[in-house]
Amino acid sequence: AQSVAQPEDQVNVAEGNPLTVKCTYSVSGNPYLFWYVQYPNRGLQFLLKYITGDNLVKGSYGFEAEFNKSQTSFHLKKPSALVSDSALYFCAVTHETGANNLFFGTGTRLTVIP
Amino acid sequence: DTAVSQTPKYLVTQMGNDKSIKCEQNLGHDTMYWYKQDSKKFLKIMFSYNNKELIINETVPNRFSPKSPDKAHLNLHINSLELGDSAVYFCASSQYGIEREYTGELFFGEGSRLTVL
Repeated sequence: AQSVAQPEDQVNVAEGNPLTVKCTYSVSGNPYLFWYVQYPNRGLQFLLKYITGDNLVKGSYGFEAEFNKSQTSFHLKKPSALVSDSALYFCAVTHETGANNLFFGTGTRLTVIP
Repeated sequence: DTAVSQTPKYLVTQMGNDKSIKCEQNLGHDTMYWYKQDSKKFLKIMFSYNNKELIINETVPNRFSPKSPDKAHLNLHINSLELGDSAVYFCASSQYGIEREYTGELFFGEGSRLTVL
């Protein structure tokens, strides 16, 4: 069985400060990991993914995430937060043999304070 | 040009009614999905079709019936609506790579908010 944990329902950060949104996962086999963002009343938008290769992946809007196999984590980071980054962020996981079934975490609401 | 479009965006109906939500994608993708997002924002897959063939059918009441007339369309029909069906339903699409590798990126529609009274 696969699962994703986003331990923080809410993350607040001051504009200009670095931000981290945490994600840990559990999956049998090689993990495929994703981050999506949801703005109010909108569908989810893809930010970045890790499937293979470099553990540090860069994505849209200056976001990046680091795959850490030993800690089974895939935390989302950004060096300098913008007010416009305020949104709901979802981590998701699947694995190579069940690739079509993306399993989402419960989401973390990020608020960037001006 | 909207990549994944769903209609209607809002749907308010009485318990016991039957309703449908339509989804179309113009991205040329071969795989489409229905996800349900509840009031706590928890997102769960319901169905997935690849080239009109049902490949994922999660534990969903059989009151929910997807239908894919072609690979650009995936509709969701719900019979005998219940209060617990109130949610936002998202359609999404994706494309497998040339070597059938999973590329992973889902494109979501803007959602259809269903309210059952």
